[in-house]
Amino acid sequence: AQSVTQLGSHVSVSEGALVLLRCNYSSSVPPYLFWYVQYPNQGLQLLLKYTTGATLVKGINGFEAEFKKSETSFHLTKPSAHMSDAAEYFCAVSEYNTDKLIFGTGTRLQVFP
Amino acid sequence: NAGVTQTPKFRILKIGQSMTLQCTQDMNHNYMYWYRQDPGMGLKLIYYSVGAGITDKGEVPNGYNVSRSTTEDFPLRLELAAPSQTSVYFCASRKGETGNTIYFGEGSWLTVV
Repeated sequence: AQSVTQLGSHVSVSEGALVLLRCNYSSSVPPYLFWYVQYPNQGLQLLLKYTTGATLVKGINGFEAEFKKSETSFHLTKPSAHMSDAAEYFCAVSEYNTDKLIFGTGTRLQVFP
Repeated sequence: NAGVTQTPKFRILKIGQSMTLQCTQDMNHNYMYWYRQDPGMGLKLIYYSVGAGITDKGEVPNGYNVSRSTTEDFPLRLELAAPSQTSVYFCASRKGETGNTIYFGEGSWLTVV
């Protein structure tokens, strides 16, 4: 069965610092992987996704993530944090040819000036 | 540019009451989903549908019912509301294959007192 683990429910960084949000997945077959962002009192918005091909995926707002099959990881990074990046971030996994998208528990990112 | 529309946005229910959360999408998506979001728990799948007339249970279906009579609409029914159903509910939709993006509504905040 597929599952997602996000290490760290809260991450705090200074403005301009590197952002690293961790995601590990469990899947018996090659997965599809997603990162979604949720701003306060809003729905979820897709940041980026990995389906096939290049393992380094670039998304919106300067975020990127790398699919590492050997580590079963899909960590999200951004070189330089901005105040507007403060939000909750969700990693999600879907196995090929299944109907469901399974989410992790989320990581709340705080950015300090 | 409507996308996925949920109503109502906020609702307070008394224990034992029933209500329906409405969801409609104008993107001609065949897949539709209902998730609930609780603090620190991420999103849990309640029910989903792969097309009109077809529904299936997710991770946490107890206390809920759904129907899918048209492609556009996917209402979620709460019967005999309980305090444990206090949550934020998100409707979502997706077209076609597993790797396609899932689009979310803005959410419905439900409190059961």
